[in-house]
Amino acid sequence: DIQMTQSPSTLSASVGDRVTITCRASQSISSWLAWFQQKPGKAPKLFIYKASTLESGVPSRFGGSGSGTEFTLTITSLQPDDFATYYCQQYSRSPWTFGQGTKVEVK
Amino acid sequence: EVQLLESGGGLIQPGGSLRLSCAASGFTFDSYGMNWVRQAPGKGLEWVSGISGSGGDTNYADSVKGRFTISRDNSRNTLYLQLNSLRGEDTAVYYCAKVRSLAAAGNIDYWGQGTLVTVSS
Repeated sequence: DIQMTQSPSTLSASVGDRVTITCRASQSISSWLAWFQQKPGKAPKLFIYKASTLESGVPSRFGGSGSGTEFTLTITSLQPDDFATYYCQQYSRSPWTFGQGTKVEVK
Repeated sequence: EVQLLESGGGLIQPGGSLRLSCAASGFTFDSYGMNWVRQAPGKGLEWVSGISGSGGDTNYADSVKGRFTISRDNSRNTLYLQLNSLRGEDTAVYYCAKVRSLAAAGNIDYWGQGTLVTVSS
């Protein structure tokens, strides 16, 4: 199975900060990577797919990059609505696996 | 608007069985693969199973293979997950999720609100 490792597990930040979350795959997944945002008690929501394509309706302050085994999710200017947990997921090879999540919390 | 509405969760004893349903609307159901993903309380996301648009291709996580069965009724726009031989570690919120393509595999683009399965005596 392809292991997905996110870092950090928790990130403390303030409104307006630039935030970067890293996701590493245990083997190459090309660009078959998605990022989801999840808030407490809610279903995850797709933010980015194919490593860097922004889902319709997602604010442009979110961006994704990377290919192969290393990927990043960047929020250029953190907003109050962005405090949540973010998960990466590979859909290159079954079983499709998720990272353990990164919680972005208020500093 | 895509809508996915799960049902069928509840409290079940270890060794018991349950069938989850997911009613889909807002898209051409048989043109898209579907997945089940679960989340144990306070934990991360775990992919469980996937099925192609026709229903002819299915796959499972090793943790549920042989115990869970995914299926779909395209005439009813409904996805199912049959859960047998349930264990405590199967306790989770189960999400139905739409895949962006016809295949069982691929990018998930929509999620339902989830249904809670609790396995306990």
